[in-house]
Amino acid sequence: DAGITQSPRHKVTETGTPVTLRCHQTENHRYMYWYRQDPGHGLRLIHYSYGVKDTDKGEVSDGYSVSRSKTEDFLLTLESATSSQTSVYFCAISDPNREGGETQYFGPGTRLLVL
Amino acid sequence: RKEVEQDPGPFNVPEGATVAFNCTYSNSASQSFFWYRQDCRKEPKLLMSVYSSGNEDGRFTAQLNRASQYISLLIRDSKLSDSATYLCVVNRGGSQGNLIFGKGTKLSVKP
Repeated sequence: DAGITQSPRHKVTETGTPVTLRCHQTENHRYMYWYRQDPGHGLRLIHYSYGVKDTDKGEVSDGYSVSRSKTEDFLLTLESATSSQTSVYFCAISDPNREGGETQYFGPGTRLLVL
Repeated sequence: RKEVEQDPGPFNVPEGATVAFNCTYSNSASQSFFWYRQDCRKEPKLLMSVYSSGNEDGRFTAQLNRASQYISLLIRDSKLSDSATYLCVVNRGGSQGNLIFGKGTKLSVKP
């Protein structure tokens, strides 16, 4: 299994509070991603990083920010949590596959409940 | 047409059955294709990458039809442990970070 951990694994918070989720990898992969998964939707990309201090938005980035100060850590911050951000959050890392594309490997996920 | 579309199922099959899942995608520029497996309350795990020539891994066979823009996954001799949700994943083409995930097809294998 790819060396990816996420913390916390579960969190309950109140609307309006800031929340930071951490993703840590031991694989030295360049690319890291944050997704959310909700019933009735496929995994949706929030933000991704292609190197230290290099990040870009995904399709559902509103209300989220990210930071990557080290290769191994990718942080996702909800500046002011809302109930619509209740979800399961997955971090992923990738490396190029043999055909030049990418294969993504996922962390165990963080279940976030915003009350 | 949705970017990646899968039959949500559930597919309920007996042990030993052969089951096939199809997935269609809309972007003809897509170059990379994958099947992931996701168990309940777990992370998605890569099952197979799908190559142009098709590929097989034990009981699992994946095929790609670029002309019709669909990918298939065939599972032979189903096991109880195959029960999971199977995600079809396609890249949009271009730079990394451009994967599109289907909503998944749920498989339940019964004794």
